Amino acid sequence: GQSLEQPSEVTAVEGAIVQINCTYQTSGFYGLSWYQQHDGGAPTFLSYNALDGLEETGRFSSFLSRSDSYGYLLLQELQMKDSASYFCAVRGVGSARQLTFGSGTQLTVLP
Amino acid sequence: EAGVAQSPRYKIIEKRQSVAFWCNPISGHATLYWYQQILGQGPKLLIQFQNNGVVDDSQLPKDRFSAERLKGVDSTLKIQPAKLEDSAVYLCASSSPERTTYEQYFGPGTRLTVT
Repeated sequence: GQSLEQPSEVTAVEGAIVQINCTYQTSGFYGLSWYQQHDGGAPTFLSYNALDGLEETGRFSSFLSRSDSYGYLLLQELQMKDSASYFCAVRGVGSARQLTFGSGTQLTVLP
Repeated sequence: EAGVAQSPRYKIIEKRQSVAFWCNPISGHATLYWYQQILGQGPKLLIQFQNNGVVDDSQLPKDRFSAERLKGVDSTLKIQPAKLEDSAVYLCASSSPERTTYEQYFGPGTRLTVT
């Protein structure tokens, strides 16, 4: 089976840096993805890590350690519009290599 | 490019009734997914199509849920009969196998309320 753990809520102030952690247990692993979802909106892709290390895309970075079954999403220079839910998702298990999502972390950015 | 289209956006039905959702993926995307997202949880994959063939439907409650993707483009997801616990947002997503990031593009979803 698969399980992913991430904090349910995180609060930070505008301009700050926040890190959202994700630990996973899977019987097969091909990569870790991150998605953002605003209230009432569709999930949108942020990043994908297949190999260990840091991937940077603008204000967002994502890190993966396969040996520790751990990853994180780093958001810098927080803006009010970053208030949303953030999901980590493991790609793997099964012939379809489908995504299994965590329960999400609700990020609240305060002024 | 146009995004993933879904309809209806909202649906309210009584338990034991039937309902159908429609999805039109991004043009050229061979892979189509249906997810169920219960409030406060992450999306859960129900079924995955590659063109018009089913790749994975291991989490689809086949006694009441069915899905099809005719001609490898549009797809419909049906629930018959609905139960209270089916209240959720049903998300459709599509992806292209050429993307090395395996990015999935999601539609706006259909919010289903079963009373």
